[in-house]
Amino acid sequence: DTAVSQTPKYLVTQMGNDKSIKCEQNLGHDTMYWYKQDSKKFLKIMFSYNNKELIINETVPNRFSPKSPDKAHLNLHINSLELGDSAVYFCASSTPSGVGFAGELFFGEGSRLTVL
Amino acid sequence: GENVEQHPSTLSVQEGDSAVIKCTYSDSASNYFPWYKQELGKGPQLIIDIRSNVGEKKDQRIAVTLNKTAKHFSLHITETQPEDSAVYFCAASKTGKLIFGQGTTLQVKP
Repeated sequence: DTAVSQTPKYLVTQMGNDKSIKCEQNLGHDTMYWYKQDSKKFLKIMFSYNNKELIINETVPNRFSPKSPDKAHLNLHINSLELGDSAVYFCASSTPSGVGFAGELFFGEGSRLTVL
Repeated sequence: GENVEQHPSTLSVQEGDSAVIKCTYSDSASNYFPWYKQELGKGPQLIIDIRSNVGEKKDQRIAVTLNKTAKHFSLHITETQPEDSAVYFCAASKTGKLIFGQGTTLQVKP
């Protein structure tokens, strides 16, 4: 039974289109994240939600909008896709953090977005 | 904000040899330093972590050392095996937000 699952696994689309990636976790965690991994493997945090509330919002273009309908789901919608949005997007959830430190992150298998 | 530098970017070792990956961080307030392993086509997975009140931690063939004064920490893998081949990421955190290093691609040759 997959702990963090995201769909779709692959997404190929044209510039200017709008697309969504869905994520679900069955670990009972309160905190979920979206990370972007570029072609050089660099992992950068985009958003974090704790119990449906946005707590981290990095300098991400407004075209990216996360939505958390409940604490087990965190979706990512991207408007007006650009070539530079091509990347692997990872959803993750985490165990409760201690005072001042992050808990363990559990990542999904990633969604590879290719913008043509 | 926090910045994490990781070296080397690629590392090739012979099976059975040791591998060492080093990271430096910029924010002296960071107090949590995990290491993640990413296999091809998978998401990263935590393999070991260390908190700032500890200088060294070991788990079977992997160990992590932390030098808070110098603001650097290292991952040591002994007796490497082909299944250790993957991309390894260090990270640092002080507030619950993990900042990752650039990653090291480790290749273990049989």
